[in-house]
Amino acid sequence: DAGVIQSPRHEVTEMGQEVTLRCKPISGHDYLFWYRQTMMRGLELLIYFNNNVPIDDSGMPEDRFSAKMPNASFSTLKIQPSEPRDSAVYFCASSSNRGGLYEQFFGPGTRLTVL
Amino acid sequence: QKEVEQDPGPLSVPEGAIVSLNCTYSNSAFQYFMWYRQYSRKGPELLMYTYSSGNKEDGRFTAQVDKSSKYISLFIRDSQPSDSATYLCAFSTASKLTFGTGTRLQVTL
Repeated sequence: DAGVIQSPRHEVTEMGQEVTLRCKPISGHDYLFWYRQTMMRGLELLIYFNNNVPIDDSGMPEDRFSAKMPNASFSTLKIQPSEPRDSAVYFCASSSNRGGLYEQFFGPGTRLTVL
Repeated sequence: QKEVEQDPGPLSVPEGAIVSLNCTYSNSAFQYFMWYRQYSRKGPELLMYTYSSGNKEDGRFTAQVDKSSKYISLFIRDSQPSDSATYLCAFSTASKLTFGTGTRLQVTL
C-alpha cells in the first residue's frame, strides 16, 4: 500500500484566498483524522471521521474551516478565507481497529503558508 | 492543567548516550500509551505502544508506564545519530489520540 497520500505538499497563498487540502487514506481504514501542527501548539486534532461521517469537529478553529469525506478514499479540508495565522503543517491520518489498538498512520503533510 | 505535559527540549546528547524522554498525563481513561517518532519534514510514525503498567522492550528502546503516577517514559540505549527526531507521546481513548507537544532530540557524533 502507498500509505496515506496528501496533496499538495506545499501551498503558498495570499490572505483571503481559499485553500483546499486533499487526503487519500489507506485502503480499508475506516477512521480519518485531520491535524494541524505548529511549533507553538504542537499537533492539534481538528476533526475526525468514522465511515465517512464526521464524529468530532470540536477542534476546528472557526467557521472558516470545513472538512468533507464524500467517500472512503477521499477527504478534503478547506479554509475560506485563509489568514496568516493558518500557516502550519496539516496532516491527515487514517486508522482502523486492531484488537483495540487504533494505530494512526500519517501522511507526509501539507505545509501551508498564508502571506 | 493540560491533559498531557511533555518537555519540548531540545535535548542534545552524544552518540552512545542513554536518553530518557517523559510525559505526564491527567486523564485516567487513557487506554493505550504510545510513542511516535517524527523525522524532520515527515509525518509521525508509531514507534512503540503499551497497554498496562510496566516495561516493554524493543531493541534499543524501552517504554515504561506508571499508571499510579500517570507518568510514561521512553528510554533509548546506545543512541545513534539516526535517532535524531522529535518524539511525541500519545494516549488513546478508543479511536482518538491525544498527543504531547513533542521533545526534539539531537544525537551528535
